[in-house]
Amino acid sequence: QLQLQESGPGLVKPSETLSLTCTVSGGSISSSSYYWGWIRQPPGKGLEWIGSIYYSGSTYYNPSLKSRVTISVDTSKNQFSLKLSSVTAADTAVYYCARQPVLGGMDVWGQGTTVTVSS
Amino acid sequence: EIVMTQSPATLSVSPGERATLSCRASQSVSSNLAWYQQKPGQAPRLLIYGASTRATGIPARFSGSGSGTEFTLTISSLQSEDFAVYYCQQYNNWPPEYTFGQGTKLEIK
Repeated sequence: QLQLQESGPGLVKPSETLSLTCTVSGGSISSSSYYWGWIRQPPGKGLEWIGSIYYSGSTYYNPSLKSRVTISVDTSKNQFSLKLSSVTAADTAVYYCARQPVLGGMDVWGQGTTVTVSS
Repeated sequence: EIVMTQSPATLSVSPGERATLSCRASQSVSSNLAWYQQKPGQAPRLLIYGASTRATGIPARFSGSGSGTEFTLTISSLQSEDFAVYYCQQYNNWPPEYTFGQGTKLEIK
């Protein structure tokens, strides 16, 4: 069945760029039925949508993070990636990738990866 | 920006009883509403989308209702595995945009 797996550094220094990749297995990222997105959850807090991408490369971002976020897709590797620039301690969170049906919701999630922003 | 407000923040219910969780949108989201369950250390799991459609594999004891700005998730006859945090989420179909509520913790009474 479809699986998503996040990967990337667990520790990022303040002011630097956080970079994560989500690898999709058991299915194709090049489906017209889905967006692919990133969501984060600070320790002990709720969920925040960061942004999403379509296989064509069209991107959609949370307005509150838009100035710092870049999401890209590599269909040849069945992967999509997140870059978050100028990070601060407030960006410390578990970062999830997820499949998002065009009709709505987020139906398949990665296990999440913890990213800590600290010097 | 659409703000999603869930109530109550914490709900204490005994196993076997019914739980009713509420979610309110600051403006109409039509039926573009999903519910998720999250257990400690786990990723969220989609329960309901389209306000009332159960996701694949979700037991029939989970039901969603509502439209516009007022939504409800009902869990009939609570099982031990149902105690978790529940989030509602609105999604704008175009352009894609998603907002979560702050969550309701369902705990054992």
